[in-house]
Parts: sequence; structure tokens; C-alpha cells
Amino acid sequence: DVKVTQSSRYLVKRTGEKVFLECVQDMDHENMFWYRQDPGLGLRLIYFSYDVKMKEKGDIPEGYSVSREKKERFSLILESASTNQTSMYLCASSLGTAKQETQYFGPGTRLLVL
Amino acid sequence: LAKTTQPISMDSYEGQEVNITCSHNNIATNDYITWYQQFPSQGPRFIIQGYKTKVTNEVASLFIPADRKSSTLSLPRVSLSDTAVYYCLVGEAGGYNKLIFGAGTRLAVHP
Repeated sequence: DVKVTQSSRYLVKRTGEKVFLECVQDMDHENMFWYRQDPGLGLRLIYFSYDVKMKEKGDIPEGYSVSREKKERFSLILESASTNQTSMYLCASSLGTAKQETQYFGPGTRLLVL
Repeated sequence: LAKTTQPISMDSYEGQEVNITCSHNNIATNDYITWYQQFPSQGPRFIIQGYKTKVTNEVASLFIPADRKSSTLSLPRVSLSDTAVYYCLVGEAGGYNKLIFGAGTRLAVHP
């Protein structure tokens, strides 16, 4: 089975802090994604990566950056956390580059910014 | 503005068939429709995917009309364990940033 793990299930940070969310997948998948999930808005794509050191902006990249130094690991960085970034963050991966490839999700990180 | 629309919530009873419809007016010609299921404290997981007409697997069926501007997820004989949030995912013209999730339908199955 594909396994996508996220470094933390819950995080509490203060406004202005730099926040790192880590995601690791163990199935040699090409693509990795970061979403945020908010009530009534579903999942919105922040960034995705189709290869090591490659990244593309999603719908809502403002206030976020990403890093993919190794194929299995994709990090989401909040340079200066703000209260409006309080949310559930979901990481996903997919095997190939076709848009219809199944995405496998991690359990999520619930971030609270005070 | 591109949008994928689905009902916010639905209620059902054990043993009934549940149909959840998603509207996606801007679906790209070559893109698929995918449905995911999410339980509390878990990430979404794949249920079913289709391009046109009907697809069936061991969990659900997916009905897609000829114009592909909507799709219906059908869950036969639901049980309490089917209580979850269901998301449709549709591709619009463009790259991965044009994969649009619906806001999700919260299905509650009652005894």
C-alpha cells in the first residue's frame, strides 16, 4: 500500500513564526501536492511538484513556499505565519504525471496560528 | 469562474441507495471525473473514476451523461460506515492547478 506520512498531526504556532510542514511518500511517486482544506471550500491546491527541485503554483500559493530536494519528500513552508493560515493541510502524491492519476493523501496536519 | 458544485449534505438510512451529484460546467475535453471519500481525521481516499457513461467497481457506480457537465456517484445499500464526506474532482483545461475539488458532500447514514 502507498503510504504518505506527514510530520505532525497538530501544530500550534504564533503569528510571524516560520513553519515547516513535512511530507514523505514511500512509493517512488513522481508528483506531490500540498492542499489546504477549509470548511465549505473543499481542498484547494497550494503547490505541486512533478520532479525533484521542480515546483508549480496552485490556486493559492501566496504566503507559502515549497521545497523538494529528494523525490520522496515535499515540504511546505509558511515564511511568516498569519492567523488566516489556520487550516488543515493535506499532502498527496501520485504515481505519474497524468492529471487523472489517483492521488494518495496523508492524514493531514491541523495548524493553528495564534 | 470555474466551479465544481455538489450538495453540502445528505442524509440516508442503512440499506438505501445514495446518489450524490456534482456539477462541473467547465470540464476539459480530455479530463476525468474522480470521486474521493474522507473520514474524520483521515485524508481523502480514491473511490472511483470515469470519463463517460457508466463505471462500476466493488464500492460504487459513477454515471456521467453525454455532455459530461455533471456526474452522479451512486452508493448501493449504504451502511453506517459510509458516513463520510465525498468530494468530486474534475479537471479543467490546463495543468494540475486546473484540477478542481468540489466543496464536499457530508453524508450521514442513520440506523
